Amino acid sequence: GAVVSQHPSRVICKSGTSVKIECRSLDFQATTMFWYRQFPKQSLMLMATSNEGSKATYEQGVEKDKFLINHASLTLSTLTVTSAHPEDSSFYICSAPYSGANVLTFGAGSRLTVL
Amino acid sequence: GENVEQHPSTLSVQEGDSAVIKCTYSDSASNYFPWYKQELGKRPQLIIDIRSNVGEKKDQRIAVTLNKTAKHFSLHITETQPEDSAVYFCAASIKGYGGATNKLIFGTGTLLAVQP
Repeated sequence: GAVVSQHPSRVICKSGTSVKIECRSLDFQATTMFWYRQFPKQSLMLMATSNEGSKATYEQGVEKDKFLINHASLTLSTLTVTSAHPEDSSFYICSAPYSGANVLTFGAGSRLTVL
Repeated sequence: GENVEQHPSTLSVQEGDSAVIKCTYSDSASNYFPWYKQELGKRPQLIIDIRSNVGEKKDQRIAVTLNKTAKHFSLHITETQPEDSAVYFCAASIKGYGGATNKLIFGTGTLLAVQP
């Protein structure tokens, strides 16, 4: 089946630094990927839609300068949390649609801790 | 925009009993409704889905029903087992405009605990 690989699984950084998270579709091409954020014991909140070859579209309330998204190829999307602060600590999960427009397969997630 | 509500937030059942989780959605244009299971610290896994042209779908112990008129859909798990314990999320699709891919909006999740 379709596999999405996400790295790193865990990252700890100091406040003010930037962190890059990679999301790769391993056995299929993904012109679109979705980035979600999940706080402990809460739901998956859609942050942005990553589009290969064009700018990402961000959900209301998500700072595009804070969360930089680059969809470099048909198999790779990256999320960079810039100038991270403790409130950015969260579980970030990417996903990509396969088998049609709706079915999503998820990456394993990246747990970011900002000290 | 689309709003998906999910109930209950927690559900505890005895092994062998049935579990039902309910969701409502607001956007009448939504046409795809998946259910995901997420174990602690792991990625969400699709367990079943239903499209708007179908009222019910079943896969072994899992079934989903959809009422388009009322805009609600439900997950039914029969003969529950301890390994069914996890957080379950419903979702509804939002149409992507201008050729954009449809997006999924998730419910708030239900923590299911199956007591042995």
